[in-house]
Amino acid sequence: EVQLVESGGGLVQPGGSLRLSCAASGFTFSSYEMNWVRQAPGKGLEWVSYISSSGSTIYYADSVKGRFTISRDNAKNSLYLQMNSLRAEDTAVYYCARANRIAAAGTRWFDPWGQGTLVTVSS
Amino acid sequence: SYVLTQPPSVSVAPGQTARITCGGNNIGSKSVHWYQQKPGQAPVLVVYDDSDRPSGIPERFSGSNSGNTATLTISRVEAGDEADYYCQVWDSSSDHGVVFGGGTKLTVL
Repeated sequence: EVQLVESGGGLVQPGGSLRLSCAASGFTFSSYEMNWVRQAPGKGLEWVSYISSSGSTIYYADSVKGRFTISRDNAKNSLYLQMNSLRAEDTAVYYCARANRIAAAGTRWFDPWGQGTLVTVSS
Repeated sequence: SYVLTQPPSVSVAPGQTARITCGGNNIGSKSVHWYQQKPGQAPVLVVYDDSDRPSGIPERFSGSNSGNTATLTISRVEAGDEADYYCQVWDSSSDHGVVFGGGTKLTVL
């Protein structure tokens, strides 16, 4: 069964740091691009970051650029999100999601998604 | 950056057809993907590449895309279809890549 399981969420003070992890199983992790997507309470989905299968290409949303770092360890089938200088507006459920595509230069869609981990930034 | 516009809400009676739109500049030239999200759950892919269905998704879910509007159509709506629905594109013209619509709450009356 293809599965993604996030961990590492919790309560952190503004300005603090947190590292999220996403454990993948049931597929060849090293062959897939991965993403983090977040959802603030009562709000819609917001894409956060993308990493290519090898880790050589990385993108960030403007809202997190310079504060968040995405990485992966293909030997451990794991995806990470290091979050620094956290703000109240970073409070959200964070999902990891596998990107699927047909052609290398083509579109991507997300399937599956993990169950999410809640990050709360508050004093 | 590219913007996707969805109506905040759509209401439909059981057994009827629900149509949820996703507007974007020349969106017909892009591939559109749709996700269903029920309260407290992670999103689930229901349509990809405009009109393809993942395995396990009922044939009642279908998609189309032309001009400036993509549409998710749910036929013979059931109570269990009540959820938030999001469209998404991959914007290859920018480093941002991924764009989501604001989401549409489908209410089954």
